[in-house]
Amino acid sequence: GESVGLHLPTLSVQEGDNSIINCAYSNSASDYFIWYKQESGKGPQFIIDIRSNMDKRQGQRVTVLLNKTVKHLSLQIAATQPGDSAVYFCAENTGRRALTFGSGTRLQVQP
Amino acid sequence: DAGVTQSPTHLIKTRGQQVTLRCSPKSGHDTVSWYQQALGQGPQFIFQYYEEEERQRGNFPDRFSGHQFPNYSSELNVNALLLGDSALYLCASSLVGARFTEAFFGQGTRLTVV
Repeated sequence: GESVGLHLPTLSVQEGDNSIINCAYSNSASDYFIWYKQESGKGPQFIIDIRSNMDKRQGQRVTVLLNKTVKHLSLQIAATQPGDSAVYFCAENTGRRALTFGSGTRLQVQP
Repeated sequence: DAGVTQSPTHLIKTRGQQVTLRCSPKSGHDTVSWYQQALGQGPQFIFQYYEEEERQRGNFPDRFSGHQFPNYSSELNVNALLLGDSALYLCASSLVGARFTEAFFGQGTRLTVV
């Protein structure tokens, strides 16, 4: 399949462990943040989002934490599965029309 | 219900040539955004179309242009191709005013410029 990124930071975890993927954003005016998952040969797929007036949001097996003081965003994946292996991007929005994506982290899940 | 479809999936062009990429939005969506994703990087916003007009543009030269048709489908045109234009071009569709959670990406067109 198509490789999304060859030189991305890589996080390697064992199946069943929890994963934490971090992201630093740049614009303090951003009002909306999203995590995307991109598998080889596919476009980005929405995982979870959070507004700037929140500091935590939970989904199914995923949690996003937002620390506006240090402009830091994290994605926690519980009980990581082989199907979670992909490249993960954080994205921020300062208006309604465009997203600014981070550089991505590759997650490798070892069986 | 088909999602966002892009064509072609792969394309090889020579420097200086022109290319047209196509996107059909998800059924019910009226807004199309285009992104460029270089290898190893996150997508970068090129522009967005709604009601057949460009609504917002990212930091891309005028060689990049687009069009939206009455059926909401869209084209991305790149003139005078450079080697640095080699990338995955992604189309995302949404409904105007909807949150980004309701934006869907296509699988992309891999453009290689030689």
